[in-house]
Amino acid sequence: RKEVEQDPGPFNVPEGATVAFNCTYSNSASQSFFWYRQDCRKEPKLLMSVYSSGNEDGRFTAQLNRASQYISLLIRDSKLSDSATYLCVVSGGGGGNKLTFGTGTQLKVEL
Amino acid sequence: DAGITQSPRHKVTETGTPVTLRCHQTENHRYMYWYRQDPGHGLRLIHYSYGVKDTDKGEVSDGYSVSRSKTEDFLLTLESATSSQTSVYFCAISLSAGGEQYFGPGTRLTVT
Repeated sequence: RKEVEQDPGPFNVPEGATVAFNCTYSNSASQSFFWYRQDCRKEPKLLMSVYSSGNEDGRFTAQLNRASQYISLLIRDSKLSDSATYLCVVSGGGGGNKLTFGTGTQLKVEL
Repeated sequence: DAGITQSPRHKVTETGTPVTLRCHQTENHRYMYWYRQDPGHGLRLIHYSYGVKDTDKGEVSDGYSVSRSKTEDFLLTLESATSSQTSVYFCAISLSAGGEQYFGPGTRLTVT
């Protein structure tokens, strides 16, 4: 089983739609969780950290379910500029300084 | 954007030659990382550093070595490049263990 698993997509949605991505992780001791965004042929960029209480940043909402070991990202009112690959990222357990990256979910927002 | 640069940005080299990639940061972050990204595999950690002269292996370290003689520079060396090392290489920095990482623009390496 992969340490971090994501549906690769692509998710093709019309502009203005709401779309949700899920990610599961295998290490129950993981302590830090993030969503990154990666545009084609560019470096990954931090989108948001994911906290136990859930967090929201504008149109983006991230949630963590430790019991089921999954993380979600909800994008409301999708824009063309949201088209990218979204990477789920999980830290190692025990305070380790390594991050494990999922292979990403591709989102295409269309007119 | 975090002050991270990578050089070269593109390189084509022949099998068997040594190659060194450089990562330079101006953020004074303690942790630095080298990843490679290949289709179907996502980002995989090659080596990382937790301080000057302090480095450790990642999950795909065979054929690679690193050095960090200054806080701001982290070098990745392919000792004898092979075609399987054709990839996009990203450097990242982090202020804390397990914390957010910030990435450089990447180096596209082709080994012929």
